[in-house]
Amino acid sequence: AQTVTQSQPEMSVQEAETVTLSCTYDTSESDYYLFWYKQPPSRQMILVIRQEAYKQQNATENRFSVNFQKAAKSFSLKISDSQLGDAAMYFCAAQGGSEKLVFGKGTKLTVNP
Amino acid sequence: DTGVSQDPRHKITKRGQNVTFRCDPISEHNRLYWYRQTLGQGPEFLTYFQNEAQLEKSRLLSDRFSAERPKGSFSTLEIQRTEQGDSAMYLCASSLQGGDTQYFGPGTRLTVL
Repeated sequence: AQTVTQSQPEMSVQEAETVTLSCTYDTSESDYYLFWYKQPPSRQMILVIRQEAYKQQNATENRFSVNFQKAAKSFSLKISDSQLGDAAMYFCAAQGGSEKLVFGKGTKLTVNP
Repeated sequence: DTGVSQDPRHKITKRGQNVTFRCDPISEHNRLYWYRQTLGQGPEFLTYFQNEAQLEKSRLLSDRFSAERPKGSFSTLEIQRTEQGDSAMYLCASSLQGGDTQYFGPGTRLTVL
């Protein structure tokens, strides 16, 4: 069984600053995928970034990047130049073996102007 | 490009009533997933389909729950004899094939009085 742990229930960042959200996971699968999804208040969940476990290079998407530490089973999300629109719940998720996504409990990100 | 749509967006029902939700996936996506999200938690997997075949069901999916995907297009999730504990957001997602990114709909928020 896979588990995903997000140890930061809430985080805050000043606009234009950088913030890192933490995620650790546990899986017995050798082939798996990791995701960060964003869920703004009362809006639908959207994909932020995806990482294939077999790729050593960390994924990046514009201001969003990950630090994937496979041996440590760590998958943190870095948001650079934070914007007010980044305020949301962020969920880390893993997929492997089965097609289902296993989610963490989420981190609520507040962006202060 | 039409995303995943869900109907209704909100449903209020009395305990003991039956409810049915509908999900329309992104066109040509052969995978369709159902998740349930309660307040303050990440989504939890319920079931998924490959075309019309239901391939995996979570233990969360009691015998009061049934899901179908006739003809491999839209899907319905029915809850019979609703209980207050069924109150949650029901999320639908679809992907082109296994291992691909899952795209989420806006969800159906169920309140059982």
